[in-house]
Amino acid sequence: DAMVIQNPRYQVTQFGKPVTLSCSQTLNHNVMYWYQQKSSQAPKLLFHYYDKDFNNEADTPDNFQSRRPNTSFCFLDIRSPGLGDAAMYLCATTEGRGNQPQHFGDGTRLSIL
Amino acid sequence: DQQVKQNSPSLSVQEGRISILNCDYTNSMFDYFLWYKKYPAEGPTFLISISSIKDKNEDGRFTVFLNKSAKHLSLHIVPSQPGDSAVYFCAASAGSGNTGKLIFGQGTTLQVKP
Repeated sequence: DAMVIQNPRYQVTQFGKPVTLSCSQTLNHNVMYWYQQKSSQAPKLLFHYYDKDFNNEADTPDNFQSRRPNTSFCFLDIRSPGLGDAAMYLCATTEGRGNQPQHFGDGTRLSIL
Repeated sequence: DQQVKQNSPSLSVQEGRISILNCDYTNSMFDYFLWYKKYPAEGPTFLISISSIKDKNEDGRFTVFLNKSAKHLSLHIVPSQPGDSAVYFCAASAGSGNTGKLIFGQGTTLQVKP
């Protein structure tokens, strides 16, 4: 009964080759988030969508883009992955009203060759 | 500048005993705090939360305590079970109008020994 689904679970790409990670949700939540988590570090917010409104974090590299074509889907595009972009990428959702927990997918582990 | 800190990377306790995981924060604007649990190869799972208007919230074996003056929160697990072995993240949010943006700590790995 997974409610936030991330595909693929593992992604290997070459240095500089664009890659897209996918997230879908069955919760009908308004807000979708993308986090980057490197080994033994805290998850770090890259950006989020509130409905169609895109909100980028100030320190998110330009190399990272996102698309949300509809309520259920959100994509993370890395235009030219570098070795430093190897990480776990987590998608999360929340209703967006008041203090509520975020619901996470199981993540995509990205490796760069 | 790390606004949420978990200073203990790891904790080991005996089954049946109490586990206490700690978290400190620096931003006085934080008003909502959460604990997440993460198993290997899975995403974080929400465990328990507390609003800044409270100092304690309990859910079964899990209790979260908030000390606003010390900017400190803790998660108590009693009794600890081997299945509780996981990485625990604390997280904080400032204002519900901020669409729930969470700032995470680095995590504490809990090992519960049978």
